[in-house]
Amino acid sequence: DQQVKQNSPSLSVQEGRISILNCDYTNSMFDYFLWYKKYPAEGPTFLISISSIKDKNEDGRFTVFLNKSAKHLSLHIVPSQPGDSAVYFCAASAVSGTYKYIFGTGTRLKVLA
Amino acid sequence: DSGVTQTPKHLITATGQRVTLRCSPRSGDLSVYWYQQSLDQGLQFLIQYYNGEERAKGNILERFSAQQFPDLHSELNLSSLELGDSALYFCASSVRDSGELFFGEGSRLTVL
Repeated sequence: DQQVKQNSPSLSVQEGRISILNCDYTNSMFDYFLWYKKYPAEGPTFLISISSIKDKNEDGRFTVFLNKSAKHLSLHIVPSQPGDSAVYFCAASAVSGTYKYIFGTGTRLKVLA
Repeated sequence: DSGVTQTPKHLITATGQRVTLRCSPRSGDLSVYWYQQSLDQGLQFLIQYYNGEERAKGNILERFSAQQFPDLHSELNLSSLELGDSALYFCASSVRDSGELFFGEGSRLTVL
């Protein structure tokens, strides 16, 4: 049972354009969501998070949107840069429960120069 | 550098054997999490410890066990290894029981 789903295994975007990575979840108990970026041979690194009390959080070029009714979140990267090419994981957690940081399967983003 | 140290980085062993993976969390972090990443799969949550106590359990096999020691480092023990246990094992830490996770570089286990 995949509680966190990233249905697009890969995405290619031109440099300077917007990258939109999507994530869906099924468990309504999740109340905290994070995005991680992973380069080959490295561990995942934290990008941005959002609590369920918000519907948007922005940090520089990265913005995460949360639609609780649709159980959907998305990560927008604007403008996309070649250095953003990596695998992106979304993760969900129920802070008060035992659902600890369930990760999706990842989306491989390639930003073309 | 996340500040989380995992050893060994690479490990090759045979089926039926037992291995121990070690994790040193960031200084001051009380929570340690273990994840398994198999080929083309996401990060599967195995287990979490907070200040020495087991806090949450995920899809961890009975052949696997973990503990967190008083100095807050953690070990993941994998026994009766099978070919399917070949994976990247990540350790992550956080300051408290929730919040941002900081990941180590992983230990790549190959079972032949």
